[in-house]
Amino acid sequence: GDSVTQMEGPVTLSEEACLTINCTYTATGYPSLFWYVQYPGEGLQLLLKATKADDKGSNKGFEATYRKETTSFHLEKGSVQVSDSAVYFCALTASGGYNKLIFGAGTRLAVHP
Amino acid sequence: DTAVSQTPKYLVTQMGNDKSIKCEQNLGHDTMYWYKQDSKKFLKIMFSYNNKELIINETVPNRFSPKSPDKAHLNLHINSLELGDSAVYFCASSQGRGANNEQFFGPGTRLTVL
Repeated sequence: GDSVTQMEGPVTLSEEACLTINCTYTATGYPSLFWYVQYPGEGLQLLLKATKADDKGSNKGFEATYRKETTSFHLEKGSVQVSDSAVYFCALTASGGYNKLIFGAGTRLAVHP
Repeated sequence: DTAVSQTPKYLVTQMGNDKSIKCEQNLGHDTMYWYKQDSKKFLKIMFSYNNKELIINETVPNRFSPKSPDKAHLNLHINSLELGDSAVYFCASSQGRGANNEQFFGPGTRLTVL
């Protein structure tokens, strides 16, 4: 079945460091890909998405490119802030026609001043 | 105004009890979802309703029964609670059930079964 694999955390960075969180997927067909962010004590928020190969999603300085050849959707940011500390989830919409999100295990990011 | 709201925020109960979690969205969406997040933060879909019709029903014990009285509400009733039901339950909604429609999540309900 469809699945998402993310790098394990936690990832600990100093402010202004570069961030990469790896995400790879297995899916039949052509899923849409998403990154969601969960701040402490809150629900999930959509951070960015890409719906077809070579699309780049971007938001709040974060970027991810849909790479069909490597089945990857890595999340990147050039300069992280303390306020970026959260859990980041990579997800895809499963094949089957419905909006069923399959999530990776989540990666906790901690940014220190 | 909160877009997707859930009540209660915290729920502590004994094994064997029956409890309900309520979800309401004021976004005018027609599709709603329940997700379970376990202690390791792993998120898994449980159910989805579109226009009050059940469209996604994952392998979930039949002690869990969703109910959608109208498009804006999706409640989750759990019978005979077990220790393993302890988790955070998230409700979400989207406009349409297509694969590209953004899902908006509620703040979660933390259920603790003692």
